[in-house]
Parts: sequence; structure tokens; C-alpha cells
Amino acid sequence: KNEVEQSPQNLTAQEGEFITINCSYSVGISALHWLQQHPGGGIVSLFMLSSGKKKHGRLIATINIQEKHSSLHITASHPRDSAVYICAVSPAYGGSQGNLIFGKGTKLSVKP
Amino acid sequence: DTGVSQNPRHKITKRGQNVTFRCDPISEHNRLYWYRQTLGQGPEFLTYFQNEAQLEKSRLLSDRFSAERPKGSFSTLEIQRTEQGDSAMYLCASSFNRGGYTFGSGTRLTVV
Repeated sequence: KNEVEQSPQNLTAQEGEFITINCSYSVGISALHWLQQHPGGGIVSLFMLSSGKKKHGRLIATINIQEKHSSLHITASHPRDSAVYICAVSPAYGGSQGNLIFGKGTKLSVKP
Repeated sequence: DTGVSQNPRHKITKRGQNVTFRCDPISEHNRLYWYRQTLGQGPEFLTYFQNEAQLEKSRLLSDRFSAERPKGSFSTLEIQRTEQGDSAMYLCASSFNRGGYTFGSGTRLTVV
């Protein structure tokens, strides 16, 4: 079992729909990251959070530390949101301070 | 600062050849990370530096792989005697301590 699990693996939505991507993790963490990867490979960091909720434009990220779960929401989705969204965690244990543990990503396709 | 820069963007090499990739991090960032990503998978940690010190290496980093960060600035990742299984996207990221990560666009390696 992977330490970071995302669901769904693939998601197709119509433009304007509200989208939720989920991330569950099994290790103690110091922070959780939501990343966006477009075709061609470059990764953009969307959020880094350790508690509560963050909002940036149409994107909202929440985390529940007790339940070891995070969600990424996209409101009023648009075709330009089509990308792979990756959840990654910074482990809290001291032996691996450099290691982000990544989920496999959720491939989102928003149709016009 | 133009973010994290990786060169080359693409590299095609014959099996058995050596290749070297370069990463220029954000100048204020003291940490630099290398990841490898194969198709359909999330990135996997390879190694990281704090300033010029290589503090952690993954088991994925066989003895054919070597990374350096002279003077704590840019970093190079060299793969000797490349194999077809080395074909992947090699991603570099930087951060200031355990703050937010900034990723480069990656170097896509194809070993033929």
C-alpha cells in the first residue's frame, strides 16, 4: 500500500463543474503539498498546508490532520485546469527531511 | 530570479553512454532535490542537498548515478552507462529549509 493515496485516478468534468480530488496518507507529516503538472512535465506548487484550509482563486485546499486526509477543490472548472494534480507529503520523522512522498496523481480533463 | 532552471529539456542517448543534467535552483534556496518520474507515476525521491552537502540518497540511486552541488549553487546529476530503464523525467526542485518547493520543468531522458 502506498503511503500517499489519491482518488480518483482519472476525472473528466464539464466546464463549470465543481471538482474534488482526495488524498489520504498513512505517515506522520509536517506538511502536505498540492502540485499541478501539465503535459511536458513541469510541476507547479499550488498549496503547502499543515492545518485548516487555504484558498487561491478558484482553488481551495483543506486538510484534516486527525483523519490524515486532504482535499483539493476547483470551483467553476475550466478547460485550462486540465492537468495532473499530485498530492505530496513532507514526512515528520526526523530521518528523512529531504524526502517528499508523492501520490500517483489525478489526471483531470475538463471538457468545454 | 526566473525560478528553477533545468538543462537540457530533452536528452536522447544510446544505451551505455553517460549523460549529465544540470539544475539551477532559486538563488536564495539552500535545499535542492532530485526526483525521477516514470510515465503514469508520481515522482520518486533520488537525493537532496543542503547547501553543498548531500544529506540523503534514495536506494533508487544506484552506483551509476552521482550528484554534486559544488559551492551550494547549481547541481549536476550524472548517469553512467545508461540503461533503457533509466528513461524517465528527471525533476529538480529547491526550497529554503522545509518551506515551499519550487520545481523545474524537468529533463526528459530517452535511452535507445
